[in-house]
Amino acid sequence: GENVEQHPSTLSVQEGDSAVIKCTYSDSASNYFPWYKQELGKRPQLIIDIRSNVGEKKDQRIAVTLNKTAKHFSLHITETQPEDSAVYFCAASKEGAQKLVFGQGTRLTINP
Amino acid sequence: GAVVSQHPSRVICKSGTSVKIECRSLDFQATTMFWYRQFPKQSLMLMATSNEGSKATYEQGVEKDKFLINHASLTLSTLTVTSAHPEDSSFYICSAASGGSYNSPLHFGNGTRLTVT
Repeated sequence: GENVEQHPSTLSVQEGDSAVIKCTYSDSASNYFPWYKQELGKRPQLIIDIRSNVGEKKDQRIAVTLNKTAKHFSLHITETQPEDSAVYFCAASKEGAQKLVFGQGTRLTINP
Repeated sequence: GAVVSQHPSRVICKSGTSVKIECRSLDFQATTMFWYRQFPKQSLMLMATSNEGSKATYEQGVEKDKFLINHASLTLSTLTVTSAHPEDSSFYICSAASGGSYNSPLHFGNGTRLTVT
């Protein structure tokens, strides 16, 4: 089955700097790659997603890139703010947006 | 936007008892819902796929007789943890896709923190 690896497990950046989180997946049939933000004790919130027919997608300070050949995708957050501090999960699915397999998570801390 | 409601948010039960967790799609119909388990500081692990009107599909290693899933309507799926033990203590989260489309994004419930004493 699908296996998603996420790095780093923790990331600390200065406010205003950029943060990058990377994920690799194993199943070449996967075609949907969302990113979720989860604050402590709360539900994961979808922040951005990308499908396999697109190489890059951007939404304000957040962008995701996908390299299908290498089977990896990355989350980029620019001009980081303290409220960006949370745990971020990448995921992959080969059933559209259904049945997601999650990465291990990255705890992002933005230092003021 | 699409809302998934999950109850209870917290439950404490004694070892050996059963606990039922409800997952409702409030403003859309969900033929499929997913149940995840999340241990502290770990990722979300898919437990099972709940299908309206049919049996749930369980992931490898998940005991179907211990984690009973019922999806009797298009807006409600329930997970019952039977004969709970301390090792079942975890954060359980359901999700459902709005829009009824294969590509509709998943929305998560608020989760249920189960503590078995």
